[in-house]
Amino acid sequence: GENVEQHPSTLSVQEGDSAVIKCTYSDSASNYFPWYKQELGKRPQLIIDIRSNVGEKKDQRIAVTLNKTAKHFSLHITETQPEDSAVYFCAPRYGNKLVFGAGTILRVKS
Amino acid sequence: DTEVTQTPKHLVMGMTNKKSLKCEQHMGHRAMYWYKQKAKKPPELMFVYSYEKLSINESVPSRFSPECPNSSLLNLHLHALQPEDSALYLCASSQEVGRGTGELFFGEGSRLTVL
Repeated sequence: GENVEQHPSTLSVQEGDSAVIKCTYSDSASNYFPWYKQELGKRPQLIIDIRSNVGEKKDQRIAVTLNKTAKHFSLHITETQPEDSAVYFCAPRYGNKLVFGAGTILRVKS
Repeated sequence: DTEVTQTPKHLVMGMTNKKSLKCEQHMGHRAMYWYKQKAKKPPELMFVYSYEKLSINESVPSRFSPECPNSSLLNLHLHALQPEDSALYLCASSQEVGRGTGELFFGEGSRLTVL
């Protein structure tokens, strides 16, 4: 089935610290694992994604790591800034659709 | 143009009304989606259109009726809705269903209130 779990549900960090959000998926997820960011009152936007043939991908302060054996992938944000405050969703692909996790509220305190 | 445009931004309707939500994209994407998002919840897939044909219907009640007149347009017709249908309705598009970059481009959403 399509089972996606995301942890933690909320995360508060001090500005400049790192943040890590983990997403666990069930067997039938296929080869595409993205992370979306949704700021308050705005649309969700893709911030980084990874395909199953790669273990890690980085884009400046953001990285995603994939552990296919353990069936989880994680979002890493380094040197957090107040503008990183938002809700983050993982959304692994199952067949022809993305299934969104419940979301993680990240608060960056300055 | 990397925008998905949705109208109206806000809609208030009674339970007996008929209204429509509209979505437009000019990125040449062949897949278009309707999602429903309640407050503090993730987007929940309703419908997927691939090459203008309905590809996925996530067991959505018939009071929601999607329509894809052409590859750039997607409508959601609303009739006899219930107050619990009040939510943000997000349209999205992607290059193709299940292929390509996989990235979903979302519109800003239509916030629907059913009285």
